[in-house]
Amino acid sequence: GENVEQHPSTLSVQEGDSAVIKCTYSDSASNYFPWYKQELGKGPQLIIDIRSNVGEKKDQRIAVTLNKTAKHFSLHITETQPEDSAVYFCAASGYSSASKIIFGSGTRLSIRP
Amino acid sequence: EADIYQTPRYLVIGTGKKITLECSQTMGHDKMYWYQQDPGMELHLIHYSYGVNSTEKGDLSSESTVSRIRTEHFPLTLESARPSHTSQYLCASSVPSGRMDTQYFGPGTRLTVL
Repeated sequence: GENVEQHPSTLSVQEGDSAVIKCTYSDSASNYFPWYKQELGKGPQLIIDIRSNVGEKKDQRIAVTLNKTAKHFSLHITETQPEDSAVYFCAASGYSSASKIIFGSGTRLSIRP
Repeated sequence: EADIYQTPRYLVIGTGKKITLECSQTMGHDKMYWYQQDPGMELHLIHYSYGVNSTEKGDLSSESTVSRIRTEHFPLTLESARPSHTSQYLCASSVPSGRMDTQYFGPGTRLTVL
């Protein structure tokens, strides 16, 4: 069945350094790849997404890259700050309105002061 | 900020009790979802709905049931709660953005069954 693998499961970086989270997906029909951030005590919130006709997208300190041939996509956070500490989920979904979104298993990111 | 609400936020209840977790959204979204979230973070889809009178079971088997009588309301019911039901329950809704769904999550209900 469809699967999204996410690595690493935990990540600790020094404040100011960059963080990278990687995901691979199995369904070649997937064409929408959102990233969610879940802070403590809250539900996941969409932070950035990318569509299959785009290779890279950037929003301030956050960027996502997509390699459709290799079926992997990544989240890059530069100049990390304490408020970046959270759990991050990647996801993939297909083209039709009946397609379900498949989430990765999550990455717990900690920013060390 | 999405307008999707869950009540209660926290619930501690004894074994055998019937409980209903409420979820409502004011965005007019057709699709709604229930996820169960492990302490280890992973999100498991347990129920979803594509609209009024539509309900489907998700990927993770659950003893809970859902109903969708109104577009804005998607309650989840456990007829007889057990300690194994202790978990975080997240409700979400979505509307296709272009032709891709963007999901909006509520704050979650943390359920503890003693």
